[in-house]
Amino acid sequence: AQSVSQHNHHVILSEAASLELGCNYSYGGTVNLFWYVQYPGQHLQLLLKYFSGDPLVKGIKGFEAEFIKSKFSFNLRKPSVQWSDTAEYFCAVNAPGASGSARQLTFGSGTQLTVLP
Amino acid sequence: EAGVTQFPSHSVIEKGQTVTLRCDPISGHDNLYWYRRVMGKEIKFLLHFVKESKQDESGMPNNRFLAERTGGTYSTLKVQPAELEDSGVYFCASSQVSGGKKLFFGSGTQLSVL
Repeated sequence: AQSVSQHNHHVILSEAASLELGCNYSYGGTVNLFWYVQYPGQHLQLLLKYFSGDPLVKGIKGFEAEFIKSKFSFNLRKPSVQWSDTAEYFCAVNAPGASGSARQLTFGSGTQLTVLP
Repeated sequence: EAGVTQFPSHSVIEKGQTVTLRCDPISGHDNLYWYRRVMGKEIKFLLHFVKESKQDESGMPNNRFLAERTGGTYSTLKVQPAELEDSGVYFCASSQVSGGKKLFFGSGTQLSVL
């Protein structure tokens, strides 16, 4: 079964600081990779996704993520965070070519980002 | 266009009681998913409907959980009887196509079992 690890449970940054949130997954086959964000009181929203092609993907609000296949990683980055980026961030993976539950999204435990004004 | 809606947003019940959560997917989305996040841990897959059929229910924790999607529109998730460890946030998501590539999530139902 696949699994997703997010190593940072809570990250606190000042505005304008750079952000990198780690995400590692375990699955040997082809995967789709996602970052979701949940702002306070809101629903989960897709931030960005990787299916194939350029391993550096750009999402909304200036976020980007890089898929490094050899490291089984899909870290999320933003060069300069804003107070409004305060939210919980979830990395997720699915294996569309697999059978059973591997085809469904597997989430990491989430990283709470707090940006201080 | 309305998004995925879930009702109630919060539910507080006693151990042993029954609770029914409802999810209304985006109109026209055949695929409906239930996920759960317990105690701040990872969000875990529960099951997947395609229209009214259960495509995959491998994530359902035990037989106290019953999900239905009669008519292929809204879905309900019933917990009977509820236990303390069932507390958490229950998310519903829908999509037009299978494969999890483009899911739209609801705001979730916060369930507290006392």
